Amino acid sequence: GNSVTQMEGPVTLSEEAFLTINCTYTATGYPSLFWYVQYPGEGLQLLLKATKADDKGSNKGFEATYRKETTSFHLEKGSVQVSDSAVYFCALSAWGAQKLVFGQGTRLTINP
Amino acid sequence: EAGVTQFPSHSVIEKGQTVTLRCDPISGHDNLYWYRRVMGKEIKFLLHFVKESKQDESGMPNNRFLAERTGGTYSTLKVQPAELEDSGVYFCASSQVGGEEAFFGQGTRLTVV
Repeated sequence: GNSVTQMEGPVTLSEEAFLTINCTYTATGYPSLFWYVQYPGEGLQLLLKATKADDKGSNKGFEATYRKETTSFHLEKGSVQVSDSAVYFCALSAWGAQKLVFGQGTRLTINP
Repeated sequence: EAGVTQFPSHSVIEKGQTVTLRCDPISGHDNLYWYRRVMGKEIKFLLHFVKESKQDESGMPNNRFLAERTGGTYSTLKVQPAELEDSGVYFCASSQVGGEEAFFGQGTRLTVV
């Protein structure tokens, strides 16, 4: 079946540090890939997505590239801010926005 | 435009009691999903409605859980009787048919004591 594995947290960084959160997946066919973020006290928000191999999703300075050969969708940001502190979830869908399969989430804390 | 709204935001109940969670999707979204995150683990799919019909309920853990979406608008998820392992955060999401983004509510944190 489909599954998502993301690096375990929590992750603590200093402001302006480089961020990578690893995500790999197992799926049949060609899933769509997503990163969702949950800020404290809020619901899940779509951060970025990619729907086919080699696509790069980007938003708010975050980027992730759909790598079919390594079945990965790692999240990166060049310079994190305190406001990026949140829980990040990698997810896939076999088709569009249908039935998402999530990773376990990575809690990120950025210290000033 | 209002987003996905869930009620209540928190609920603490005793084992054996009944709890009903409500989700109001974005207007016009025919797809409605329920998910659950237990004990800091991954968020797991529970079920999917298209309008008032259950499209996929493969993630429902057992028959103590009953989901309804009468009239194809809001949805309820009832847990009866609640057990300790039902504690977690229940998320609702909605999307348009054929849409590529699901919009999530803030979740209901359920604690069974």
